[in-house]
Amino acid sequence: DSGVTQTPKHLITATGQRVTLRCSPRSGDLSVYWYQQSLDQGLQFLIQYYNGEERAKGNILERFSAQQFPDLHSELNLSSLELGDSALYFCASSVGEGEQFFGPGTRLTVL
Amino acid sequence: AQTVTQSQPEMSVQEAETVTLSCTYDTSENNYYLFWYKQPPSRQMILVIRQEAYKQQNATENRFSVNFQKAAKSFSLKISDSQLGDTAMYFCAFMTRRFGNEKLTFGTGTRLTIIP
Repeated sequence: DSGVTQTPKHLITATGQRVTLRCSPRSGDLSVYWYQQSLDQGLQFLIQYYNGEERAKGNILERFSAQQFPDLHSELNLSSLELGDSALYFCASSVGEGEQFFGPGTRLTVL
Repeated sequence: AQTVTQSQPEMSVQEAETVTLSCTYDTSENNYYLFWYKQPPSRQMILVIRQEAYKQQNATENRFSVNFQKAAKSFSLKISDSQLGDTAMYFCAFMTRRFGNEKLTFGTGTRLTIIP
């Protein structure tokens, strides 16, 4: 158990819908990262927050957004969902730099 | 931009044998980390080992060790006395130590099967 929690574990929804994925980092970790793992794109970095502020952005679609709250938990919002958004979404946390610890992931299926 | 290449999509080895997974990377950075992550069938991403680029000594964690060749930009993982529980996807990952760029860049992975 990495200490990073993600909810829900599984999410099944329809195209065009909007979903919210939630992540709670390890106690004391200020950085939260979101990654997408899909069959065709592999593991890709989406976005990083550090102590409530956006710190880095990767290949995140405009339909996707994220935020980190004062209690340091983070949410990833995916809207206008398409079939190609089906993937495993990971949250990871770290103290600041160095190793990142991953949550169990949220498997999103868009039908 | 950094790239990470894992040229072995699949490997298999008998239980108790030693296996080496290859990884090469490309970067213009001088200060960075390299990692190996393991993803078993449960899909959980588990950190196996980490190497800091400024350290010449190769990292070791129990049965897992790395061969870090900075000039060659090579970072291989050696698993000794392999066990059935080592069956998993293994991902090599790179991270700069530059502020605001602490994302992980992953390779495409090597699927390792330990044969009983």
